[in-house]
Amino acid sequence: EDQVTQSPEALRLQEGESSSLNCSYTVSGLRGLFWYRQDPGKGPEFLFTLYSAGEEKEKERLKATLTKKESFLHITAPKPEDSATYLCAVQDPSRGSYIPTFGRGTSLIVHP
Amino acid sequence: DTGVSQDPRHKITKRGQNVTFRCDPISEHNRLYWYRQTLGQGPEFLTYFQNEAQLEKSRLLSDRFSAERPKGSFSTLEIQRTEQGDSAMYLCASSSSVGTYEQYFGPGTRLTVT
Repeated sequence: EDQVTQSPEALRLQEGESSSLNCSYTVSGLRGLFWYRQDPGKGPEFLFTLYSAGEEKEKERLKATLTKKESFLHITAPKPEDSATYLCAVQDPSRGSYIPTFGRGTSLIVHP
Repeated sequence: DTGVSQDPRHKITKRGQNVTFRCDPISEHNRLYWYRQTLGQGPEFLTYFQNEAQLEKSRLLSDRFSAERPKGSFSTLEIQRTEQGDSAMYLCASSSSVGTYEQYFGPGTRLTVT
């Protein structure tokens, strides 16, 4: 069973059309959950770290939230430059090394 | 700080050849990680170092893969006797070993094995 599941796999939005991406996880006692943005052919770019249920982080048009079973990345009034793959990763407390496990990502395309 | 750098950015090699990639982490980070990523997948952990010590290797990592970080600064990843299945993006990341452990990635090395 995958520890980290992201949905949807792909999302197409019109510019200005707000939406949310989902990251659900099965690990118990989450140490940390990370969101990254990845542009084609490039390495992931760090966005947020969340640690506890109820926590929220914001950056420009992005807001990440965390519950005990999932995280959401809300995109408000997206622009074409927000088009990218968004990756979620969780730190599994059963691993002593703090190495995160990544989901497969959500590919977001924002049309002008 | 210029961030994590990787060299080369692209590598095309023939099956059976050896290849070596280099990663220079963020200078104040003592942890360095190697990942592999294929199309449509998230990064898959390969190995990591804390300073010069290699502390963990993925059980999926073939014996043909070896990594070093001789002075606790830059790291190299070598793949011997490359196979077509090794074609992927190889990503390097670094982090501190205190606080939040968030990883910062380099641009990656795209390997194509023909």
